[in-house]
Amino acid sequence: DIVMTQTPLALSVTPGQQASISCTSSQSLLRSGEETELYWYVQKPGQSPQLLIYEVSNRFSGVPDRFSGSGSRTVFTLKISRVEADDVGLYYCMQGIQFPYSFGQGTKLEIK
Amino acid sequence: QVQMVESGGGVVQPGRSLRLSCVASGFTFSSRGMHWVRQAPGKGLEWVAVIWYDDTNKYYSDSVKGRFTISRDNSQNTLYLQMNSLRAEDTAVYYCARHDHFYGMDVWGQGTTVTVSS
Repeated sequence: DIVMTQTPLALSVTPGQQASISCTSSQSLLRSGEETELYWYVQKPGQSPQLLIYEVSNRFSGVPDRFSGSGSRTVFTLKISRVEADDVGLYYCMQGIQFPYSFGQGTKLEIK
Repeated sequence: QVQMVESGGGVVQPGRSLRLSCVASGFTFSSRGMHWVRQAPGKGLEWVAVIWYDDTNKYYSDSVKGRFTISRDNSQNTLYLQMNSLRAEDTAVYYCARHDHFYGMDVWGQGTTVTVSS
């Protein structure tokens, strides 16, 4: 099974500053030279998870361009520029290349 | 709009069974794979199971394999999770999520809470 590891597990950011979350996978998430099956989700307080980024770097519909994803094979990063109060929540990376799908432990973003 | 509504959660004793439902609307349910994902209190997300759009394939996490069964009724736009031999560690909010080839799990329900306790 693929293990997903996120760092840090918590971060506190001043509004307007940048937040960065790292995610590593125990195996490559590159599917036979095609897409890389790495996704980012956010779970805001009291809500269901919602998709932010698909296939490493593509923003889902309605996601502000303050959110950006990067990386390849086993090392990935989610960056949130100009953090706002509404960005508070738990951020998860997830691999979708093989079953069982697996999530990182989650990173709790707080605002200073 | 695209929506999924879970139901069937509740308090159940260890060893007993429960069936969760997820009713979908706003999209062609019969053309989409569907997942169950759970979240134990204060914990992260755990993928549970997936079923192909046409019911030809199903996969499970090791933690539920042999105890849980995912199924669907495309005529009723409904996804199910039959949970048998429940354990305390199955206590969680259970979400259904729609599968998309590009987006992964792109739409999630609001969740239903299962508590396994004597």
